[in-house]
Amino acid sequence: EAGVAQSPRYKIIEKRQSVAFWCNPISGHATLYWYQQILGQGPKLLIQFQNNGVVDDSQLPKDRFSAERLKGVDSTLKIQPAKLEDSAVYLCASSLEIGRTYEQYFGPGTRLTVT
Amino acid sequence: AQSVTQPDIHITVSEGASLELRCNYSYGATPYLFWYVQSPGQGLQLLLKYFSGDTLVQGIKGFEAEFKRSQSSFNLRKPSVHWSDAAEYFCAVGPMNTGFQKLVFGTGTRLLVSP
Repeated sequence: EAGVAQSPRYKIIEKRQSVAFWCNPISGHATLYWYQQILGQGPKLLIQFQNNGVVDDSQLPKDRFSAERLKGVDSTLKIQPAKLEDSAVYLCASSLEIGRTYEQYFGPGTRLTVT
Repeated sequence: AQSVTQPDIHITVSEGASLELRCNYSYGATPYLFWYVQSPGQGLQLLLKYFSGDTLVQGIKGFEAEFKRSQSSFNLRKPSVHWSDAAEYFCAVGPMNTGFQKLVFGTGTRLLVSP
């Protein structure tokens, strides 16, 4: 079974530029999560989708971050414009269903450096 | 608000020695509890989880964890560490009283294994 795929793996941009990350969850997984992991910290949930609907985006900085999952499969996370403090690893995860007992499977992440 | 504390940033253990990683949580009720491992350049992998029942939980790779309600702790243990266990370990909590899984992670403990 293929795992969660993310691209790119690394990205370096200058502040005020825009960037987009792509995630392809495990086939058949209805729930998709985006996390931000700043160096030295644990992952922090940014947004959670159930199929193509948003379940929780309470910690997403909506003035600069946006995410979509149009067909209930792939998802894109965008930052526009980027700030220095956005430097982090962005992790995508998916689970079979939305319930709390369903394991989250994580992708390898995209490491973003903002200069 | 729920929170997770992992008091040890780094731990060094000799190969073959036993391991205990500490995790304390703050939450109004008994949450769901998880331990994840993250190897360099990899996503997080679930080691084990506690939902209810037996307070000693067995996981993959020979790990176990014990939930102690009186101490609000969920410490991870392994009787004999292998060099391949060197990684970062994250404790996480999730709410029991909602229908979806919103994890709050600790800051992680980096395990170094010496020969």
